[in-house]
Amino acid sequence: NAGVTQTPKFRILKIGQSMTLQCAQDMNHNYMYWYRQDPGMGLKLIYYSVGAGITDKGEVPNGYNVSRSTTEDFPLRLELAAPSQTSVYFCASSYPHPMGLAGGLGYEQYFGPGTRLTVT
Amino acid sequence: GIQVEQSPPDLILQEGANSTLRCNFSDSVNNLQWFHQNPWGQLINLFYIPSGTKQNGRLSATTVATERYSLLYISSSQTTDSGVYFCAGDDKIIFGKGTRLHILP
Repeated sequence: NAGVTQTPKFRILKIGQSMTLQCAQDMNHNYMYWYRQDPGMGLKLIYYSVGAGITDKGEVPNGYNVSRSTTEDFPLRLELAAPSQTSVYFCASSYPHPMGLAGGLGYEQYFGPGTRLTVT
Repeated sequence: GIQVEQSPPDLILQEGANSTLRCNFSDSVNNLQWFHQNPWGQLINLFYIPSGTKQNGRLSATTVATERYSLLYISSSQTTDSGVYFCAGDDKIIFGKGTRLHILP
């Protein structure tokens, strides 16, 4: 299994340009997530999806759009790039599974390698 | 939204030392997780621990959900433990700012 893959690894955009960050997973996980990580900070959730055709906003959705037409793919779209969107973007996936004797469901997340985006 | 505070922000230890990292939440949370981000930026899920205690080798974690905190213990530190440790929780997966750990050889 390749796990979670992201393309491209690096990208430089001019202000106002558009681009799509690609994310794919081959683990048949129904949950997928997009995060951004600014320097010296923790991750912030942009959008997430609990299955094909279902998406929802996270903590910082403004300036981004997502779609989930298949279980495997979860692309993130930037329509009008701004310098404030300079960041490292991580995609992740998870699936609910029983936690054995502890009870309940676990949702451990598996992360892609990230895309470093610079907007100038 | 909830606030997530991690302490200490930075920690420098000699190889072989033990450490305890703390994560406090402003409200009760579900989906509590601990992550390690290595110096190359790769993120690894360490524990999914909404309550109770779990152990994995030299690492263990305890979450006391009623008191809204979680602890990550690292024993016999190795240089490969260096990096940033994040906790996160809630349905929107809110992250703390992390604890930067540097293990000296």
